[in-house]
Amino acid sequence: GQQLNQSPQSMFIQEGEDVSMNCTSSSIFNTWLWYKQEPGEGPVLLIALYKAGELTSNGRLTAQFGITRKDSFLNISASIPSDVGIYFCAGPPYGGSQGNLIFGKGTKLSVKP
Amino acid sequence: DTGVSQNPRHKITKRGQNVTFRCDPISEHNRLYWYRQTLGQGPEFLTYFQNEAQLEKSRLLSDRFSAERPKGSFSTLEIQRTEQGDSAMYLCASSNRQGSTDTQYFGPGTRLTVL
Repeated sequence: GQQLNQSPQSMFIQEGEDVSMNCTSSSIFNTWLWYKQEPGEGPVLLIALYKAGELTSNGRLTAQFGITRKDSFLNISASIPSDVGIYFCAGPPYGGSQGNLIFGKGTKLSVKP
Repeated sequence: DTGVSQNPRHKITKRGQNVTFRCDPISEHNRLYWYRQTLGQGPEFLTYFQNEAQLEKSRLLSDRFSAERPKGSFSTLEIQRTEQGDSAMYLCASSNRQGSTDTQYFGPGTRLTVL
């Protein structure tokens, strides 16, 4: 079945640094979603992308829907300690049910003050 | 708070017992989803409802699992004869499909531990 591959698996950065992570698939997606999850909580939606090439920002976060529709990236500028968490990309499988989302395994972000 | 709510937040049970979780979606959202998440993994889809109709079930949803959404509002997920492998976070999400967009919003989850 379709899978989403996220890289890197984990990142340890200094407060104030910029962060970049990406998500790739061997299949095309029509929607890319980026979620953040903190320990013991459910994923929180950060950014939703619906068109190939779309670039969307949400505060210090910027995400892009790749032109090939097989990838997406998420950038965080000037990281702060509260950015700590696991970042997941997700999307509904192309040609499949609109009901379920496929998630990547996540990128775990640690920020040193 | 108008977000998705789930109860209980934590459940510890002994192997072989039945457990039931509840999810209250965002008001007026017509779609409701259940996912399971194990340590180090992303959420995995289990099933979803549009209003009261259960439209899709994953192969992960064995016959020990049953979900309902009477009246198209809240939903329950029941696991019968729990096994240690059922230990996971069970997440509920809801959405209000409009056109081609169907953005899902998640609740805080129910953490199940089977001893």
